[in-house]
Amino acid sequence: QKEVEQNSGPLSVPEGAIASLNCTYSDRGSQSFFWYRQYSGKSPELIMFIYSNGDKEDGRFTAQLNKASQYVSLLIRDSQPSDSATYLCAVIHSNYQLIWGAGTKLIIKP
Amino acid sequence: DVKVTQSSRYLVKRTGEKVFLECVQDMDHENMFWYRQDPGLGLRLIYFSYDVKMKEKGDIPEGYSVSREKKERFSLILESASTNQTSMYLCASSLGLRGQPQHFGDGTRLSIL
Repeated sequence: QKEVEQNSGPLSVPEGAIASLNCTYSDRGSQSFFWYRQYSGKSPELIMFIYSNGDKEDGRFTAQLNKASQYVSLLIRDSQPSDSATYLCAVIHSNYQLIWGAGTKLIIKP
Repeated sequence: DVKVTQSSRYLVKRTGEKVFLECVQDMDHENMFWYRQDPGLGLRLIYFSYDVKMKEKGDIPEGYSVSREKKERFSLILESASTNQTSMYLCASSLGLRGQPQHFGDGTRLSIL
């Protein structure tokens, strides 16, 4: 079992719809959770972080954390073609090491 | 905003050459990291440093070394470049190990011929 798992996709979503990206992690003592967006040929860009159970909203993005079930999600409302990218989930484990998921490729269809 | 600058966007070197990749950050971050990213393999940590002159091996340190003589600068060295080191190299920095996000430079696409 990988320590941080994401569905590789591609996940195809119509423009204007909600895109839902999921990430599960194995270390129950994990403390911090991050979502990065990476366009093809570019470097990862931090878009959201969450530390506590529940939801955190920033514009069209919402991060959801459920520590009991060990998953973190990213919702993108009103999806735009410019949201097409690979989304990387990263988790800081209880030993303070940052573990990366392999990423989910998201395609927003006009 | 955090600024992490990598010295080259694209680099072509020959097998056996000694290659230096430079990274500079301007936010007084304690921690700096070098990754490589290959299709299908995700981000893999090569080395990291949590203080000047300190370094720790990551998951794939073989064939690489690093240098951190100043807080803002972290260099990755390929001692004798080989074709299997052709990759995208990403430098990142963070304010602290405990719970802080990493911020990336633009990356260096290195080709070893």
